[in-house]
Formats: sequence, structure tokens, C-alpha cells
Amino acid sequence: DQQVKQNSPSLSVQEGRISILNCDYTNSMFDYFLWYKKYPAEGPTFLISISSIKDKNEDGRFTVFLNKSAKHLSLHIVPSQPGDSAVYFCAASGGYDMRFGAGTRLTVKP
Amino acid sequence: DGGITQSPKYLFRKEGQNVTLSCEQNLNHDAMYWYRQDPGQGLRLIYYSQIVNDFQKGDIAEGYSVSREKKESFPLTVTSAQKNPTAFYLCASSQGVSNYGYTFGSGTRLTVV
Repeated sequence: DQQVKQNSPSLSVQEGRISILNCDYTNSMFDYFLWYKKYPAEGPTFLISISSIKDKNEDGRFTVFLNKSAKHLSLHIVPSQPGDSAVYFCAASGGYDMRFGAGTRLTVKP
Repeated sequence: DGGITQSPKYLFRKEGQNVTLSCEQNLNHDAMYWYRQDPGQGLRLIYYSQIVNDFQKGDIAEGYSVSREKKESFPLTVTSAQKNPTAFYLCASSQGVSNYGYTFGSGTRLTVV
């Protein structure tokens, strides 16, 4: 039962352009949404989050958008840099229960 | 520096043997978690512990066991009952509920031959 889905396993963009990573969830009880970044053979690191009472949160080059009616969130990276190349996990939380998507591998080409 | 230490980074075991993965944190976090990562799948929760001497099963607890005798430590034992133990295992911790994000260790890759 995948409650959090990232339907694109990979994404490739040119340096300087926008990267848009998407995530869908099914459980309307989730009240907090997070994005993590992961490099090979390392643990994920927290990137940015958004509460269910908001529809947008921005932190530098990273912006997360939440559409509660569609149960959809997205992460925008502008401008994309080669160092952003990693696997990005979407996560949804309700108290102690956090569910993760399968991840999207982002490749930013110079 | 505060953080989570998982050891070893790589572990090889023969089929049928139990193996214990270590996870230690010095962040003074109350809650700790064990996840498993397989190719093409998200992180799946094995066990979690909100306080010392208490832990709960996650989605895929069968074939695993844990203990939480100290706040800093949350070891995971992969038993011979686990049908597919080869995977990347991640330990995490959080202060209180998970809304503020988890701090993850660097993971242990277990290979059973």
C-alpha cells in the first residue's frame, strides 16, 4: 500500500534551468510534507518541508508547493546546479508515522 | 558534532545467520527508527521507538527484532526468519513527532550470501 508515490524514477535537466519533482499522496490525514536529498551510500538529508495549512514554502533555490485538494506536492529547484544531482525522496507525516516515496533521481547536466 | 552513527557500513553474512546492525545517536532525540531501502521502492519502516524500553512494529517487522535499553542506542537484529535480508538499512532519529524531519545515519548495506 503505497501512500506516497513519486511516479518519475528519473529526471534530467540542463544546468541553470528549473527542476520540478512531483509527489502524490493518498492519505488525507497527513499534515506535514517533507523532501529529502540522498547521495549514494549515504543517508537522506532533510531539504525542505511544508505544513498542510500552507500551499507554498520557499528556501533559497528550493520551493515546495502543496495542492491539498489534488493531494499533490512538488519541489521546484531554480536554477538547477550540477551539485543538485541526487535522489530526492518525498515524505508525508502524521505524528510518528512518516511515509516515503520511491524517490526520483535528478541529474543536472553542465 | 551531533549525529547518528551506523556501523558497519558494509556487512556480509551467510544465509541462516542472525546479524545485528548498530545505531547510536548523540542528538538527545527521543524517537528512533529503522528503515529498509530496496531498489525502486521508498524507505519502508521496520521498527520505531518513541522512548526507552518501548518500540513498535512498522510495516515490515517480520524477521527483525530491536531493543531500546538506552536512549542513545537502537540496534536492529536481522534474523534467519527474514526471507530477503539483503538491502540497505537506514537508522534515523527525531525529537518528538516527525514533522520536523528525521536525522538519518549513513546506512549499512547488508549482503547475505
